[in-house]
Amino acid sequence: GESVGLHLPTLSVQEGDSAVIKCTYSDSASNYFPWYKQELGKGPQLIIDIRSNMDKRQGQRVTVLLNKTVKHLSLQIAATQPGDSAVYFCAEADISGTYKYIFGTGTRLKVLA
Amino acid sequence: ETGVTQSPTHLIKTRGQQVTLRCSSQSGHNTVSWYQQALGQGPQFIFQYYREEENGRGNFPPRFSGLQFPNYSSELNVNALELDDSALYLCASSPAGGQGGDTQYFGPGTRLTVL
Repeated sequence: GESVGLHLPTLSVQEGDSAVIKCTYSDSASNYFPWYKQELGKGPQLIIDIRSNMDKRQGQRVTVLLNKTVKHLSLQIAATQPGDSAVYFCAEADISGTYKYIFGTGTRLKVLA
Repeated sequence: ETGVTQSPTHLIKTRGQQVTLRCSSQSGHNTVSWYQQALGQGPQFIFQYYREEENGRGNFPPRFSGLQFPNYSSELNVNALELDDSALYLCASSPAGGQGGDTQYFGPGTRLTVL
């Protein structure tokens, strides 16, 4: 069935270093991929998204890459700060047909001071 | 602009009881989706409402039901609660008009504990 898999459940980095969170998806019909940050006790917060007509998208300190050939996504967070510590989820959706986001389990990022 | 709000924040129920959770969508958004997030897991899609009609449903039994009101706010009702229903219930709104969701903005969630 449809699924979104994550390569690493926990990632620890030193403050100031870059963090790369990887994700795979299985549905080739998916054409929209949002990334969410969820802090303890809070709802998911959208940090960046990418559509299937793009390979790369950059935001403030974040970059998302999409490789449709192998159904891989990656989220890079540059110059990490303690406030970046949270669980990060990738999700997939087919926004031309279905309406649901399919989320992975999440990767916990720990930024060490 | 007001974001997505949910009530209550926390709720404790016993097996077999019924519960109603509420969500107010972000201003200008007409589509509401509900997700269940078990501890340590990603959110799982329950259903979506657009113009007061269910617009799609995930793999949840009929005892999970919902409503959307003319002001686009929404309720999630769960009957005959089971222990496995203990989770964070998230509401997300989007301006998509039912056309596949676009970007969904999440509320803080309601933590439901079933004893």
